[in-house]
Amino acid sequence: GEDVEQSLFLSVREGDSSVINCTYTDSSSTYLYWYKQEPGAGLQLLTYIFSNMDMKQDQRLTVLLNKKDKHLSLRIADTQTGDSAIYFCAVSPGGYQKVTFGTGTKLQVIP
Amino acid sequence: DSGVTQTPKHLITATGQRVTLRCSPRSGDLSVYWYQQSLDQGLQFLIQYYNGEERAKGNILERFSAQQFPDLHSELNLSSLELGDSALYFCASSAPPSGGYEQYFGPGTRLTVT
Repeated sequence: GEDVEQSLFLSVREGDSSVINCTYTDSSSTYLYWYKQEPGAGLQLLTYIFSNMDMKQDQRLTVLLNKKDKHLSLRIADTQTGDSAIYFCAVSPGGYQKVTFGTGTKLQVIP
Repeated sequence: DSGVTQTPKHLITATGQRVTLRCSPRSGDLSVYWYQQSLDQGLQFLIQYYNGEERAKGNILERFSAQQFPDLHSELNLSSLELGDSALYFCASSAPPSGGYEQYFGPGTRLTVT
């Protein structure tokens, strides 16, 4: 089955850029997502990208997709303390097939 | 607020017992998904329903079952509970697939089995 890997932890200083990386195994993954989970809360969809795109920018968020290497990244510009959370990468072949989530990366923002 | 509601917020019960978790999807969403989030297993997909029918099954134990009712709300039933079933259980919903397939998550039910 699909396997989605992320590093467990990332620490950055406030104002710096954060880059969270994700690798997946299934080349048929068509939809790729980034979710944010704040303490004690459910997951919140941040952004998503289709496999026919290389990049998507949404305000402070930039998603980069390297299909050849099956690598997805999320860049957060000007990281703020409110960005401290766990970030999940998720992929899906689309249609009615299930979405597979990564292990999550805990982002710690140091003031 | 995602528009997905889950009840109860917290549940404490003993081993061997049975509980029911409830989820109401966002207005207009036909798909409902259940996930289990624990410290050691991460976020695990359990099961998906679409308009009352089971669509996909993940790592759901035989002691667990779910259904989606005609009004589209869903229930997850957990029986013969074990200590290891203690976790956060999330429900998510999505609109019918029409390109993107984003899921909207509820706030979760925290289950503690003692």
